[in-house]
Amino acid sequence: QEHLAESGGGLVRPGGSLRLSCAASGFTLSDFYMSWIRQAPGKGLEWVSYVGPDGSDTDYADSVKGRFSISRDNAKNSIYLQVNRLRPGDTAVYFCARDLSFIYPNEGLILRAFDLWGHGTMVTVSS
Amino acid sequence: EIVLTQSPGTLSLSPGERATLSCRASQSVIRSSLAWYQQKPSQAPRLLIFGASNRATGIPDRFSGSGSGTDFILSISRLEPDDFAVYYCQQYGSSPRTFGQGTKVEIK
Repeated sequence: QEHLAESGGGLVRPGGSLRLSCAASGFTLSDFYMSWIRQAPGKGLEWVSYVGPDGSDTDYADSVKGRFSISRDNAKNSIYLQVNRLRPGDTAVYFCARDLSFIYPNEGLILRAFDLWGHGTMVTVSS
Repeated sequence: EIVLTQSPGTLSLSPGERATLSCRASQSVIRSSLAWYQQKPSQAPRLLIFGASNRATGIPDRFSGSGSGTDFILSISRLEPDDFAVYYCQQYGSSPRTFGQGTKVEIK
């Protein structure tokens, strides 16, 4: 059974940091792009970041660029999101998701949808 | 970035009725790169439709998607109790990928 499980959320003061983790099982993690997507309380969904299969390709939403860093360890079947310089506006449930994006020869990265999601980990930024 | 506007905000229907949800993009979505997700309270979103009209694995055929360019529709032919949830559209033709604000389908 394919499964994603996030951990590492919590209550942190503005300016603080956390490291979110996402453990994958039931599929070959190294075959896929992976993304983090967040949802503020009572709000919609916002894509945050993606990482390519070998970790060399990454991108970030403008709202987190320079503060968040995504990485992966395929040997440990895990994805990570280091979140630094947190702001109250970063308060949200953070989901990791399997990203169906892929590199197409002569076309580059083709963005796709997210077909498998974890249940999320809550990050609360408050003094 | 492409802004997606979903309507209505809330749809109040009875089981067995048909639901029609709209998603309008601020600019054309290339290659009909639009997906629909279902989210129930305290659960992760579930992919329903990709490529505007293709059902994801395991999604019942009462769910259908249509549209192109800037206007997309998700239809649920006969609502079942399990279908009452929030539905989000998402475009993935342009970076950054963006989501609509959601349509809540509630029991009337």
